[in-house]
Amino acid sequence: DTGVSQDPRHKITKRGQNVTFRCDPISEHNRLYWYRQTLGQGPEFLTYFQNEAQLEKSRLLSDRFSAERPKGSFSTLEIQRTEQGDSAMYLCASSLTMGEGEQFFGPGTRLTVL
Amino acid sequence: DAKTTQPPSMDCAEGRAANLPCNHSTISGNEYVYWYRQIHSQGPQYIIHGLKNNETNEMASLIITEDRKSSTLILPHATLRDTAVYYCIVRPPNTNAGKSTFGDGTTLTVKP
Repeated sequence: DTGVSQDPRHKITKRGQNVTFRCDPISEHNRLYWYRQTLGQGPEFLTYFQNEAQLEKSRLLSDRFSAERPKGSFSTLEIQRTEQGDSAMYLCASSLTMGEGEQFFGPGTRLTVL
Repeated sequence: DAKTTQPPSMDCAEGRAANLPCNHSTISGNEYVYWYRQIHSQGPQYIIHGLKNNETNEMASLIITEDRKSSTLILPHATLRDTAVYYCIVRPPNTNAGKSTFGDGTTLTVKP
């Protein structure tokens, strides 16, 4: 499968714990995006990378959130000291930099904070 | 990014054409119209995009008005598997922008 993959698909954690999600983009895509989606809402942008550089961060990305893409390939999104309000689907997408470029989404990681 | 307006829900009979409207009255000259859909519990799936001209691919057709202030996504022969939330987004090409701004989309229900 050459699509965007995310791991894990589901994560249940207790409030206050740290969690880390991984995203593997389509191999030739140099842009990688993270979105968050809560029930009944459309995806909300969190941040995006071009290669290893983080080019934009949303105000939604509080100090407890950090994203990395150290070698310009896979990316990780870490949430520290999770809160119940962090419960959501976390979506990753990738695209090429040039051109009109649709974004290709992964299946998402569903986080439940108890 | 320009804002889009979509009806919250629509129904369509199986086998009939589904026409999903989108208003984007503040679209800028270099912004494209993209359509995605999201089937329950999956990530959004790209459908089609266009700038000025009408576009067609194996999934759907996109009709953009001459003034570019609105568009319609057409699924020519809807099936039950087309039941999903459909999102209309406007954004510049990748060389000028990163994020996509999603609204709440249109929930399309295809009925037998």
